[in-house]
Amino acid sequence: DAKTTQPPSMDCAEGRAANLPCNHSTISGNEYVYWYRQIHSQGPQYIIHGLKNNETNEMASLIITEDRKSSTLILPHATLRDTAVYYCIVRVTATSGTYKYIFGTGTRLKVLA
Amino acid sequence: EAGVTQSPTHLIKTRGQQVTLRCSPISGHTSVYWYQQALGLGLQFLLWYDEGEERNRGNFPPRFSGRQFPNYSSELNVNALELEDSALYLCASSRSRIEQFFGPGTRLTVL
Repeated sequence: DAKTTQPPSMDCAEGRAANLPCNHSTISGNEYVYWYRQIHSQGPQYIIHGLKNNETNEMASLIITEDRKSSTLILPHATLRDTAVYYCIVRVTATSGTYKYIFGTGTRLKVLA
Repeated sequence: EAGVTQSPTHLIKTRGQQVTLRCSPISGHTSVYWYQQALGLGLQFLLWYDEGEERNRGNFPPRFSGRQFPNYSSELNVNALELEDSALYLCASSRSRIEQFFGPGTRLTVL
């Protein structure tokens, strides 16, 4: 199974872009990269996902390297409410068509006023 | 729209006991996922149910089991509890296989 590696913690100034890296060097060609975040005492919240191309939505942008061995989640203008643990996840698909999500330990992002 | 609900919110058990956790998905969602979040270890995938069948499971021993009912709600059963089973157990539901919507979790403490 592909595994993800993330820095344990990061700080970011409010209003600046937060760039959260993730390594997934053993990812296979059909495995998607997902990002979730978990604000203290709440369930994880979906942010974005991608396979090969860069993706953008109202919350964030996802940049995936050409070799797919790493990705970066970008929060363009971080706010205090973005303080959370951010999980980079690989969705592993089995030949039977089933899949499971492999979570890492996440990056604890602290947005500073 | 009501979110994913889980019960109970907190539970205290002793070693060797058995526990059942419950999850009700968002209306219209047919998939239910279970995760274990032990302190400092991030989220560990446990089980995935879809349309009443177990589709996949993570690297957990057989004493972790569950089922999904015709109304798509789900139970997670843990037998022969061990101290290291103490964790937050999260349930998520999905309709599109893209997003998972998580419940608030059940915090299990094993003494």
